[in-house]
Amino acid sequence: SAVISQKPSRDICQRGTSLTIQCQVDSQVTMMFWYRQQPGQSLTLIATANQGSEATYESGFVIDKFPISRPNLTFSTLTVSNMSPEDSSIYLCSVWGGGNIQYFGAGTRLSVL
Amino acid sequence: EDQVTQSPEALRLQEGESSSLNCSYTVSGLRGLFWYRQDPGKGPEFLFTLYSAGEEKEKERLKATLTKKESFLHITAPKPEDSATYLCAVYINAGNMLTFGGGTRLMVKP
Repeated sequence: SAVISQKPSRDICQRGTSLTIQCQVDSQVTMMFWYRQQPGQSLTLIATANQGSEATYESGFVIDKFPISRPNLTFSTLTVSNMSPEDSSIYLCSVWGGGNIQYFGAGTRLSVL
Repeated sequence: EDQVTQSPEALRLQEGESSSLNCSYTVSGLRGLFWYRQDPGKGPEFLFTLYSAGEEKEKERLKATLTKKESFLHITAPKPEDSATYLCAVYINAGNMLTFGGGTRLMVKP
């Protein structure tokens, strides 16, 4: 299995500011994934973060809005930049673990006022 | 385009009333179909992976089945603690991520 820790667990932010979310895994992994879950909705992949290379973003998500860092094989950050109320969501980090299972962190619940 | 559709969106059951949740998919090159449970304020919790048509897996009151077009999550004699959102997701040949359906919100009343 894989144990994933996300910080912060929740935050309330003002419009126009930025928030950086941290994701720490208890084992080394090649890929880390960032998902967004809007209120009452399912999960949508934002980007895949590979250590040593640029993150790969899905359609509709851009690096200027969601910059990602991946400094080593156990850690990644996602920044939500220039926030608006539409960015209010749960942001989830995930990795592939043993048994070919994708494990998820508890998520960061973001509210933008 | 790959699509994953879950039905119903919401389901209310009485305790002990068995039912099924559906996940239909249209994808190219299915490598696996995943079921997760998500409680409010938490990340998805892994339940099952199914790899080929005809495969079945069970865990307590839950049983997942897979055909070439859909998967079912059968809940036998549910209890209030089974109340959660159930998500299915597909893992396909092209890519390393999961594509999720919209989820089914299950409420089991005592």
